[in-house]
Amino acid sequence: DQQVKQNSPSLSVQEGRISILNCDYTNSMFDYFLWYKKYPAEGPTFLISISSIKDKNEDGRFTVFLNKSAKHLSLHIVPSQPGDSAVYFCAATSPSNQFYFGTGTSLTVIP
Amino acid sequence: NAGVTQTPKFQVLKTGQSMTLQCAQDMNHNSMYWYRQDPGMGLRLIYYSASEGTTDKGEVPNGYNVSRLNKREFSLRLESAAPSQTSVYFCASRPNSGGYTFGSGTRLTVV
Repeated sequence: DQQVKQNSPSLSVQEGRISILNCDYTNSMFDYFLWYKKYPAEGPTFLISISSIKDKNEDGRFTVFLNKSAKHLSLHIVPSQPGDSAVYFCAATSPSNQFYFGTGTSLTVIP
Repeated sequence: NAGVTQTPKFQVLKTGQSMTLQCAQDMNHNSMYWYRQDPGMGLRLIYYSASEGTTDKGEVPNGYNVSRLNKREFSLRLESAAPSQTSVYFCASRPNSGGYTFGSGTRLTVV
């Protein structure tokens, strides 16, 4: 039972344009959400997070939006750069402290 | 500050062989985890250790054992490797609140 879902396995975007990566979850107890970025042959690295008390968190070119009523979060990258090409995982956690990861979205930024 | 160190980086085993994946962190984190990553499956939790001296099963524990040797080290053992255990294995640690720090992964092939 996949509690965190990333329904788009891949995404291609032109350099300079916006990349939007989406993530849906089913557990209303989740209260903290994170995005990780993973390059080939490396471990995932933390990118940005958001608490359930907020609906937006911004860090430079990266913004995460949370829509609790829709159980949906998204990561916006503006402007997209070729170095952003990677696999992006969203993750969610509940007060029980268990983390759940999505299946990942492979982003390709075309120069 | 090395973060999370995993060894080995690559391993090929024959069916039925045993091996131990090593993981060490130098960030004084209480919690440590072992995940496997398979195509289309995202990151799945094998075992975790919330603190030194405790271990708990995750989503896919069958065929694995773990040892939390001390606060720094958390090892994963395959007693009798099977082709279904061909995967990329990630060790991670995290503090009591916040996201994970991942190791760079072990690519295991069981033939």
